[in-house]
Amino acid sequence: ILNVEQSPQSLHVQEGDSTNFTCSFPSSNFYALHWYRWETAKSPEALFVMTLNGDEKKKGRISATLNTKEGYSYLYIKGSQPEDSATYLCAFLPGNQFYFGTGTSLTVIP
Amino acid sequence: GAGVSQTPSNKVTEKGKYVELRCDPISGHTALYWYRQSLGQGPEFLIYFQGTGAADDSGLPNDRFFAVRPEGSVSTLKIQRTERGDSAVYLCASSLLSGSTDTQYFGPGTRLTVL
Repeated sequence: ILNVEQSPQSLHVQEGDSTNFTCSFPSSNFYALHWYRWETAKSPEALFVMTLNGDEKKKGRISATLNTKEGYSYLYIKGSQPEDSATYLCAFLPGNQFYFGTGTSLTVIP
Repeated sequence: GAGVSQTPSNKVTEKGKYVELRCDPISGHTALYWYRQSLGQGPEFLIYFQGTGAADDSGLPNDRFFAVRPEGSVSTLKIQRTERGDSAVYLCASSLLSGSTDTQYFGPGTRLTVL
């Protein structure tokens, strides 16, 4: 069984705060890492696909970094807004199979 | 354009019955994945199609589960002799090419309840 861990499990922040969370995965056999945002009653939405050690990707106020040698990825949200409230999932791929973490549930308080 | 659709959105069945869950991927997407999400867990990989063929079915939990994609577009996940433990949200996702390094687009899921 391949272990992908996300921390924290849940997070409450005030509107305007910046925040970050972690996805930890095995450091061997890395092929790709995906980040998703999943809002209640909607489909998971892809944020980033990361493949190279040292990758840094950005989409608006959200960015992500990747360290494949130590097996972690950080997701950062700058100036959180209520519409950022969602569960953020990462998925580690040693090949074709996706191994998802259990997610970080973010609540942004207006 | 249309996104990934899944039908039905909800399915309630009795233990021992047979169910089929359908996924319509985005037109032109060659890769299609099925996942199962149980309460409090992340999605669990079931099977991956590249075109018409199952490129990796190692996530199917046992031989009661089977999936097809006969024409390389619509896929059906079939569950025989359903058990209460099969209750979950079944998600489908498609991507243009490989899926591993391409953006995946998810459907809304089918919530299966086995009584």
